[in-house]
Amino acid sequence: DAGVIQSPRHEVTEMGQEVTLRCKPISGHDYLFWYRQTMMRGLELLIYFNNNVPIDDSGMPEDRFSAKMPNASFSTLKIQPSEPRDSAVYFCASALGSSTDTQYFGPGTRLTVL
Amino acid sequence: QQPVQSPQAVILREGEDAVINCSSSKALYSVHWYRQKHGEAPVFLMILLKGGEQKGHDKISASFNEKKQQSSLYLTASQLSYSGTYFCGTEYVKTSYDKVIFGPGTSLSVIP
Repeated sequence: DAGVIQSPRHEVTEMGQEVTLRCKPISGHDYLFWYRQTMMRGLELLIYFNNNVPIDDSGMPEDRFSAKMPNASFSTLKIQPSEPRDSAVYFCASALGSSTDTQYFGPGTRLTVL
Repeated sequence: QQPVQSPQAVILREGEDAVINCSSSKALYSVHWYRQKHGEAPVFLMILLKGGEQKGHDKISASFNEKKQQSSLYLTASQLSYSGTYFCGTEYVKTSYDKVIFGPGTSLSVIP
């Protein structure tokens, strides 16, 4: 299996620009998670989906962040407009069966907002 | 409700042992352990359910003390490959849509 796939791996953008991060979960997994990792705040859960439906988005920082999962094999996390404080590594993870089963993380997207 | 991990960082020589603790002020249902090597994604190690069971994974094992609401990760005869940041994740209530809350991590460096 290819594992969780994320793109791009690195993104450098300027403040105010729109950023879209992409994720393809492991085939057959019912749950998809978006995390943000920074030195200051650690690994934070932003949102998770079950069968393409958003279940818990309480970790989404503000309205500038949005996430979608149009089908079982694709999800996006969008930041519009981006700000320097959004600079972080964003991970996507997927799990089979429940929201607390083993999570398989993608390689992450390192976002730098100048 | 983020769990507390201790120590924050530890440096070991190859062959030495280490213990990483994860504690919570709330009653735990399960504890999950992950390791993240520098520049890589977190990788699952093990899950412990309440009931105090101990699990093992090669020379890495963990226990869950329900009374203390604490889990400990034991690394025995450490190897260079053990270096990384260890995260515990806690689950508080077993519901249909619970989530795992990760701790701040413990940085472990193994030197020759």
